Amino acid sequence: AQTVTQSQPEMSVQEAETVTLSCTYDTSENNYYLFWYKQPPSRQMILVIRQEAYKQQNATENRFSVNFQKAAKSFSLKISDSQLGDTAMYFCAFMGLSGGSNYKLTFGKGTLLTVNP
Amino acid sequence: GAVVSQHPSRVICKSGTSVKIECRSLDFQATTMFWYRQFPKQSLMLMATSNEGSKATYEQGVEKDKFLINHASLTLSTLTVTSAHPEDSSFYICSASNLAGGRGDTQYFGPGTRLTVL
Repeated sequence: AQTVTQSQPEMSVQEAETVTLSCTYDTSENNYYLFWYKQPPSRQMILVIRQEAYKQQNATENRFSVNFQKAAKSFSLKISDSQLGDTAMYFCAFMGLSGGSNYKLTFGKGTLLTVNP
Repeated sequence: GAVVSQHPSRVICKSGTSVKIECRSLDFQATTMFWYRQFPKQSLMLMATSNEGSKATYEQGVEKDKFLINHASLTLSTLTVTSAHPEDSSFYICSASNLAGGRGDTQYFGPGTRLTVL
């Protein structure tokens, strides 16, 4: 079974600074997808960024970028110019077949990010 | 685009009653829908996957007779918690994908339903 590990339960950053959230995963699959979702206090899950494993180029979405190291099974999220609205729980997620017929998301335990003014 | 709604947002019921939660994709066809459960300060745990017109596939440890899932159309899936008990109290979240089996597709999440069983 796939596992996703987020080793930082909580992090804080000053507004306008940069922060990196770490994520590692374990899988025997070769074709898979990786995601970062954020869950603000409203509890609505919001997609931040996605990465296809077959792509070597790191995904970027405005202030959000990832460092995808396939061999190391690492998928970190960098948030530049942090804003107060970035305060949320961030979940790293792995999507693969897990031996079944449906692609499933496996989530890490999350990192609570607080952006301080 | 890619909006998913859930109804109700909150429900309180008495032990022994059944509760139905609806999940709708508002602007796309949800070939595959997923139901998750989230306990306070914890991550999301997948309960089941449903493909439109097929029986749901339940994760290990999830009682299919207790958590009935119906995905009869491309825009609607329902989760019915039968004979609810206090231990079923949780936050239930659905997500939807427009690819069969969710293959590589981004899942779009509903806002969740908080169920409290007294």
